[in-house]
Amino acid sequence: GIQVEQSPPDLILQEGANSTLRCNFSDSVNNLQWFHQNPWGQLINLFYIPSGTKQNGRLSATTVATERYSLLYISSSQTTDSGVYFCAVAYFGNEKLTFGTGTRLTIIP
Amino acid sequence: KAGVTQTPRYLIKTRGQQVTLSCSPISGHRSVSWYQQTPGQGLQFLFEYFSETQRNKGNFPGRFSGRQFSNSRSEMNVSTLELGDSALYLCASSLQNNEQFFGPGTRLTVL
Repeated sequence: GIQVEQSPPDLILQEGANSTLRCNFSDSVNNLQWFHQNPWGQLINLFYIPSGTKQNGRLSATTVATERYSLLYISSSQTTDSGVYFCAVAYFGNEKLTFGTGTRLTIIP
Repeated sequence: KAGVTQTPRYLIKTRGQQVTLSCSPISGHRSVSWYQQTPGQGLQFLFEYFSETQRNKGNFPGRFSGRQFSNSRSEMNVSTLELGDSALYLCASSLQNNEQFFGPGTRLTVL
């Protein structure tokens, strides 16, 4: 099956710093999503981005499908950005999402 | 539009018991998927239902089963609970081949 690797596994930053999270995947995919898991466990949708670039406020994401990676950028980090960020991918015609192991982001005031 | 809802939110059971979890998808979504999250194994796919049919199944024992009703609501059942079944169970819904949206999860503790 498809392999998804996220890096770094842990990231500790001061409030106001910028960060880049990376997701590498081993095969062509039709679906790529970024999630933020809140302290209660719910996965919050950040981006649906099988290819291209999107921006939403301080967050943006880029997926280069031909090179099988995606990047999530967080600018001017706030303490509320803390948590675990997951990348998940799926093949065309398959709803099964394969998740990476996540990046745990800690923003220090 | 209401999001994905899951009930109950928390559940405590003892080994050997069985449990049923419920998921109501976003209105209009016909695909419902279930995932298990544990500290050791991460997020793993259990199964996916579309129009009351199981279309895809992950690598879990037969103790894990599910179904989907005509209104797209889904239930999953775990029989003969084991300590290792303690986990956060997440449900997701989507339009076919599209972005998936997750519910708040059911946290199951097996004692």
